[in-house]
Amino acid sequence: AQRVTQPEKLLSVFKGAPVELKCNYSYSGSPELFWYVQYSRQRLQLLLRHISRESIKGFTADLNKGETSFHLKKPFAQEEDSAMYYCAPHAETGANNLFFGTGTRLTVIP
Amino acid sequence: GAVVSQHPSWVICKSGTSVKIECRSLDFQATTMFWYRQFPKQSLMLMATSNEGSKATYEQGVEKDKFLINHASLTLSTLTVTSAHPEDSSFYICSAERGGEDTQYFGPGTRLTVL
Repeated sequence: AQRVTQPEKLLSVFKGAPVELKCNYSYSGSPELFWYVQYSRQRLQLLLRHISRESIKGFTADLNKGETSFHLKKPFAQEEDSAMYYCAPHAETGANNLFFGTGTRLTVIP
Repeated sequence: GAVVSQHPSWVICKSGTSVKIECRSLDFQATTMFWYRQFPKQSLMLMATSNEGSKATYEQGVEKDKFLINHASLTLSTLTVTSAHPEDSSFYICSAERGGEDTQYFGPGTRLTVL
């Protein structure tokens, strides 16, 4: 089973401070991971995926196979970044059972 | 707490048959459940949102007559893929929101393969 864990349910940072939302995965093979964001009263939306290696809204995430991590980072948090963030595995061909991260609620304090 | 299960975890069916997928919130009451689909190498795509006791709200481009959603209780939502075709083969994932929370709890997904 492809499993990811997000150890922090809640994270608060001050505006302008760096932010890192942790995500660890625990399966072998070639993991393909996504970060999704859900702003208050909005639907879930894709933030970024690791294979694209792009930066969205100032967020980046690097897949670290040695540490089996895919942490989401942003150097300077903004108030509008306050949201729920989910780290999610991708359903590889032939694999069953995905275990999503339980989400981290980020609050950026003005 | 806040565990969501899906059944079955995988299913293979013949073209033209219907398949029902169950999504259950095991230890909480889910006022809202979401159904997503994920094709290979793509991100989750929201198909529909269902609230207990009311009709589901489907996303644009999702055929409601093909993907029947029933949210009969606060702990169970079902997705029935009617007259399935090979292009419906995908990973179907549900999530549930506990009342009063703005957090989704995801199920482990169901892999559907239509031959």
